[in-house]
Amino acid sequence: GEDVEQSLFLSVREGDSSVINCTYTDSSSTYLYWYKQEPGAGLQLLTYIFSNMDMKQDQRLTVLLNKKDKHLSLRIADTQTGDSAIYFCAERMNNRKLIWGLGTSLAVNP
Amino acid sequence: GAGVSQSPSNKVTEKGKDVELRCDPISGHTALYWYRQSLGQGLEFLIYFQGNSAPDKSGLPSDRFSAERTGGSVSTLTIQRTQQEDSAVYLCASSLDPTGSKRYEQYFGPGTRLTVT
Repeated sequence: GEDVEQSLFLSVREGDSSVINCTYTDSSSTYLYWYKQEPGAGLQLLTYIFSNMDMKQDQRLTVLLNKKDKHLSLRIADTQTGDSAIYFCAERMNNRKLIWGLGTSLAVNP
Repeated sequence: GAGVSQSPSNKVTEKGKDVELRCDPISGHTALYWYRQSLGQGLEFLIYFQGNSAPDKSGLPSDRFSAERTGGSVSTLTIQRTQQEDSAVYLCASSLDPTGSKRYEQYFGPGTRLTVT
């Protein structure tokens, strides 16, 4: 069935790199997304990767996709306290809906 | 610039009452989605509108839930005879025409927090 899994919590020190991991089950997914949700705020699209790519870099963010293992990761370089949020992984099953993970809560300690 | 807006931001209602939640998508976005985010749960897809096509209602949890989209723009999600398990944050998202290059980007509103007492 359709399923996206993420670890629920991650704690890092300010200045370190954060790596948030996600696994998905459907090999036919076309796009995979990372969204950020800050406390009391809506969801913000951070980045996405097409399934025929294996890496995408955008400033401090690096997305790695291992399609064989159905594994997606988001690396945040030089993590700041403002990066503290919940990060959601999602896969697009068709052009109509996304399947979401439960989110990883990132805590950045000074 | 104007993003997706939703109203109200918070709604407290008594069990058994009907509620209406409103979503204003980004101007020019033809696709509109409703999701629900319950405490400790992931995002749950509810319904999808695309242009004049029949909506994809496959995510609606029961027939107490309905949604409409007037004039291809504003959408209203209606929950009849609310139950406590309906308490959640209801999120609306919009995206450009699915045939375009930006079709896979969904932009979310701030959500409506619904509490059923």
